[in-house]
Amino acid sequence: KQEVTQIPAALSVPEGENLVLNCSFTDSAIYNLQWFRQDPGKGLTSLLLIQSSQREQTSGRLNASLDKSSGRSTLYIAASQPGDSATYLCAVLSGANNLFFGTGTRLTVIP
Amino acid sequence: DTEVTQTPKHLVMGMTNKKSLKCEQHMGHRAMYWYKQKAKKPPELMFVYSYEKLSINESVPSRFSPECPNSSLLNLHLHALQPEDSALYLCASRPVGWVVDTQYFGPGTRLTVL
Repeated sequence: KQEVTQIPAALSVPEGENLVLNCSFTDSAIYNLQWFRQDPGKGLTSLLLIQSSQREQTSGRLNASLDKSSGRSTLYIAASQPGDSATYLCAVLSGANNLFFGTGTRLTVIP
Repeated sequence: DTEVTQTPKHLVMGMTNKKSLKCEQHMGHRAMYWYKQKAKKPPELMFVYSYEKLSINESVPSRFSPECPNSSLLNLHLHALQPEDSALYLCASRPVGWVVDTQYFGPGTRLTVL
């Protein structure tokens, strides 16, 4: 069964810093990998989706990379802002309906 | 319309009550999902409907009863729940095609069982 791990579990940075969140998965047979943002008590907002044939995706200050062979992905956030504070979830799609989530990284950006 | 909506946003119920959660999407997606998320944990898949038919039931207790009356609507009927069922219930949908696309999530229903 696919296992997804995210490191670190929590991260606190001063405003303006660049930061990297890490995600690793055990089975490289995936369709795609997604990064989600979740604010406390709220639903999931999709940030970036990388298909298995792609290496990276960018949206604004966010850049996500995928190394399928090593089972790793990173989410890079440039020039962090207090509004970026949230939990970030990595999820891999291993079957048409099998979306496996990591346990998340709780990010706090200090003004 | 490019969103998944869920009602109600919050629900408090007693262990003897019967209630329902509703999920709706008008994006033409033919796969719909129910997830359960406990605090500080990732979402866990409960049910999957594909073309209005239940295709996956992840060994969910029978006190949770899903229903997909049409291609836009997904319900989750609740009966005789336990306090440990208190959680955020998320609905998602996905277009079905030869390219496996992302799941689109709703904002969730926060359920508290007293």
